[in-house]
Amino acid sequence: DTEVTQTPKHLVMGMTNKKSLKCEQHMGHRAMYWYKQKAKKPPELMFVYSYEKLSINESVPSRFSPECPNSSLLNLHLHALQPEDSALYLCASSRIQGRGSEAFFGQGTRLTVV
Amino acid sequence: AQSVTQPDIHITVSEGASLELRCNYSYGATPYLFWYVQSPGQGLQLLLKYFSGDTLVQGIKGFEAEFKRSQSSFNLRKPSVHWSDAAEYFCAVGALFGNQFYFGTGTSLTVIP
Repeated sequence: DTEVTQTPKHLVMGMTNKKSLKCEQHMGHRAMYWYKQKAKKPPELMFVYSYEKLSINESVPSRFSPECPNSSLLNLHLHALQPEDSALYLCASSRIQGRGSEAFFGQGTRLTVV
Repeated sequence: AQSVTQPDIHITVSEGASLELRCNYSYGATPYLFWYVQSPGQGLQLLLKYFSGDTLVQGIKGFEAEFKRSQSSFNLRKPSVHWSDAAEYFCAVGALFGNQFYFGTGTSLTVIP
């Protein structure tokens, strides 16, 4: 199983809502990532978890809150988002962080903030 | 500083024609290099990767890439393009520590009949 599963596939939320994005992998990978991707742009790294601990936070606004409950799951909690936060949010995992370990990406959650 | 450059923003090729997508990298040590493909609204799929050894790497869907250290390049090639190859292609360099990937800006491929 080389899948990274993201739910939901699409999400529309108001600026006062609270929602969560979920990501799951069963490949035994110990590094998991959140990326944000705007149209026609490369993915931008948001967060990296390594062995369930937050390893990298790329100066992401606090309205995005990641959580890694266990080695297979990664959540991204959203609160008080802005319309400019509308994007494709991609989850990825790799065997370990760094050392050229290739990342496997999920299909993404298309988020629209209204 | 690490960086990846994809000089071609958009490329159009005819179905059945050959394809080469360019990628140049800047990295202080031996790089780990990747090519990913992304269809519209989808996630990224790994086409191939280079860590060490043979500089010509074979990937999925008939793609190959050649690592040239002297030119700091890792160009992606396919001898005969299919209409289903139309997508966005990202070159990436992997870090030994820290941030996992440095993505290039991407090349959008259009395939015409």
